[in-house]
Amino acid sequence: AQSVTQPDIHITVSEGASLELRCNYSYGATPYLFWYVQSPGQGLQLLLKYFSGDTLVQGIKGFEAEFKRSQSSFNLRKPSVHWSDAAEYFCAVGKGAGGFKTIFGAGTRLFVKA
Amino acid sequence: GAVVSQHPSWVICKSGTSVKIECRSLDFQATTMFWYRQFPKQSLMLMATSNEGSKATYEQGVEKDKFLINHASLTLSTLTVTSAHPEDSSFYICSARDRQGSSTDTQYFGPGTRLTVL
Repeated sequence: AQSVTQPDIHITVSEGASLELRCNYSYGATPYLFWYVQSPGQGLQLLLKYFSGDTLVQGIKGFEAEFKRSQSSFNLRKPSVHWSDAAEYFCAVGKGAGGFKTIFGAGTRLFVKA
Repeated sequence: GAVVSQHPSWVICKSGTSVKIECRSLDFQATTMFWYRQFPKQSLMLMATSNEGSKATYEQGVEKDKFLINHASLTLSTLTVTSAHPEDSSFYICSARDRQGSSTDTQYFGPGTRLTVL
């Protein structure tokens, strides 16, 4: 069965430091992969997605993620974190036609300290 | 970007009553909408896929008679929690996909509805 694992429940980084959020997936075929951010009172916002092609994907807000098939990973990175990046981050895999039936990981809460 | 709204944003009801939650795509037409449930400090769980003009498709373990979904137009899907009980208290989130249907479509999420059943 398809599944998504985010091993870190929460992470704290200093403002200006680099960030990497880990994500591993289990899926039988080439996956559709997503990273979403959820802020209080707001809907989930798509940061980036991978369907095919270049395994290094650029997203909004300076985020990027790299698809590594051999490791079944899709880690999210940002070179310099801003205080406004504090939020809940979800990695997800899409199944079904177009990958729109989404299975989410448990999420990683990012705290940013001054 | 595209906007999806949900109404109400929060609702409190008595046990045994039914509650309807609306999900609207404001600036695009959505042939497909999805309903998710999120427990506190947990991830989103896909409940069902709502298809305009046809019956919803429910995920395994989701009671279709408990969670009634209607997708009567290209911009509106409703989720009705029937005979609600305290264990139905949760955060319900919808998402919508535009009708173009290409593989690069994005699904847009609503802000969620907090349901509390007393």
